[in-house]
Amino acid sequence: DTAVSQTPKYLVTQMGNDKSIKCEQNLGHDTMYWYKQDSKKFLKIMFSYNNKELIINETVPNRFSPKSPDKAHLNLHINSLELGDSAVYFCASSHGIFGTEAFFGQGTRLTVV
Amino acid sequence: AQKITQTQPGMFVQEKEAVTLDCTYDTSDQSYGLFWYKQPSSGEMIFLIYQGSYDEQNATEGRYSLNFQKARKSANLVISASQLGDSAMYFCAMREPSGAGSYQLTFGKGTKLSVIP
Repeated sequence: DTAVSQTPKYLVTQMGNDKSIKCEQNLGHDTMYWYKQDSKKFLKIMFSYNNKELIINETVPNRFSPKSPDKAHLNLHINSLELGDSAVYFCASSHGIFGTEAFFGQGTRLTVV
Repeated sequence: AQKITQTQPGMFVQEKEAVTLDCTYDTSDQSYGLFWYKQPSSGEMIFLIYQGSYDEQNATEGRYSLNFQKARKSANLVISASQLGDSAMYFCAMREPSGAGSYQLTFGKGTKLSVIP
């Protein structure tokens, strides 16, 4: 069984469109994250949710809006996509502050053309 | 300032040899955790090993071990008996508290390991 699953794995879309990436974890974790990996492979946190509440919101354009309907899901909606949004987006989950492991989804490669 | 530094952008190792991937970190917290992840060319992020700041023993997981030197703030990953399938990007990360009972992982820039037959 996949612990952290995100869909779709690949997403190609035109500039200006709105798209969503879904993430679900079945580990019973209470904290979920979105990370962005740029073309140089650098991973940077975008958002963190703990028990459905937003904890971290790094300097991310407000075109990006996370939604957590419950503790097991954290979706990422992106409005008015731009070329610079092309990247790999990873969802991850962990168990609170004492977590000794954090698991990542398989990533979504977003290409904006 | 970088909190996680991986000084080796790329490394080569002969198959069956051991290799050490360097990682130094910067924190003023007493309680923190250090993680290593592997990212093969297929793109997924695979959790390898964890070391807590209060753990007295170095963490080991199969062929992976973490050489934790707290005073030097280093957490190097050692891979023994390298295999061709070990060729990948390797990321060091540090767990930092981010408020409200949560934490985040801050990543280094990664080391690309290539295993030579």
